[in-house]
Amino acid sequence: QSVLTQPPSASATPGQRVTISCSGRRSNIGSNIVNWYQHLPGTAPKLLIYSNSQRSSGVPDRFSASKSGTSASLAISGLHSEDEADYYCAAWDDSLNGFLFGTGTKVIVL
Amino acid sequence: EVQLVESGGGLVQPGGSLRLSCAASGFTFSTYEMHWVRLGTGKGLEWVSGIGTAGDTYYAGSVKGRFTISRENVRNSVYLQMNTMRAGDTGVYYCARGQPPDQWGQGTLVTVSP
Repeated sequence: QSVLTQPPSASATPGQRVTISCSGRRSNIGSNIVNWYQHLPGTAPKLLIYSNSQRSSGVPDRFSASKSGTSASLAISGLHSEDEADYYCAAWDDSLNGFLFGTGTKVIVL
Repeated sequence: EVQLVESGGGLVQPGGSLRLSCAASGFTFSTYEMHWVRLGTGKGLEWVSGIGTAGDTYYAGSVKGRFTISRENVRNSVYLQMNTMRAGDTGVYYCARGQPPDQWGQGTLVTVSP
């Protein structure tokens, strides 16, 4: 049962910007780095962002992320149709002594 | 090229057992943490278990006491022994490398059903 809370969905038209929030606690986001994953159905999840704001190799700079306190966010600017996917934040939790994924946000390109 | 190939999934009855395997190649396996993550039907990603380079193990609360992760560096493989399985364990199980997990396999489907 995840304690990293994300909105179930977010939508925008091509070219627009969409932002996804991730709310946690002191024991996870407040104490550890946040990572973001993109997951298309039937494929392996892809590490999009690591160490709060660093883009993985090959990830376009349309994707950006930040962290403040016990919350984090992922922004996708200049939305493309191929960005339609599920997005998850993730962080280690010191209290649970385990890795947590957020509840997931489905990005819909209208 | 990094490759992670899971195997061992299938249909199992509630209360039954299953052992998943993940064969790794393309990197120095012994120097990486390894993890198992699952995607339940209609659910999101859920971290299941992890094992460090020294063999230290970590489990999600939902599987602690029922699942056991292990690794065999000479075979470049990581395993997940799943016992006393429940319907809620149904899903696609992914093997993943590193912390944070940066390379993933394609997954193996596990179905727990009578």
